[in-house]
Amino acid sequence: EVRLVESGGGLVKPGGSLRLSCAASGFTFGSAWMSWVRQAPGKGLEWVGRIRTKTEGEATDYAAPVKGRFTVSRDDSENSVYLQLNSLKTEDTAMYYCVTGGGTFDYWGQGTLVIVSS
Amino acid sequence: DIVMTQSPDSLAVSLGERATINCKSSQSVLSSSNNKNYLAWYQQKPGQPPKLLIYWASTRASGVPDRFSGSGSGTDFTLTISSLQAEDVAVYYCQQYYTPPDFGPGTKVDIK
Repeated sequence: EVRLVESGGGLVKPGGSLRLSCAASGFTFGSAWMSWVRQAPGKGLEWVGRIRTKTEGEATDYAAPVKGRFTVSRDDSENSVYLQLNSLKTEDTAMYYCVTGGGTFDYWGQGTLVIVSS
Repeated sequence: DIVMTQSPDSLAVSLGERATINCKSSQSVLSSSNNKNYLAWYQQKPGQPPKLLIYWASTRASGVPDRFSGSGSGTDFTLTISSLQAEDVAVYYCQQYYTPPDFGPGTKVDIK
């Protein structure tokens, strides 16, 4: 059974930083592209970024609103993917989901909530 | 960037009746190299993460009931629920993955 468990969310002030983690199990993690998708309260889905496999150089892509501020990384030895959030803005307030895949998103975690507020 | 739109914003359908949701992309998501449409559909029930329903515009994901079907090509796509069940109340999103992924705004489906 595929399982994705996010952690690290919380309340942070504008301009602050946060690191989200996602522990994965139930599939061959090292062979999978991984992504983060967010959802602001009461709003739709927004893809944030993705990371390819180690054999593909762990190359990353980001959505325009977060490029230069957010960084996706992975540790295949820990079956984990991370999202570093820097220079946070109030509009980054959202539930952040860890998902398998880089195109279609087959499996989703339950999400971790990030609130950016002074 | 490819912009995704959906219509209607919401709809209410009687149990057992058909529900139809439309999705339009600002550019074609049909690849000439493999003749596949890079279009997926997701279902999100209240308080839950989304669930993949359809990919390649018309291929049902594992375990998805056959009352859900996807159709269309190029820039115009449709998700059809042939006989609405109570458990289908949800928001439905289309998503293109031809370029870096992008979602439509969602369509809320309720029971009439």
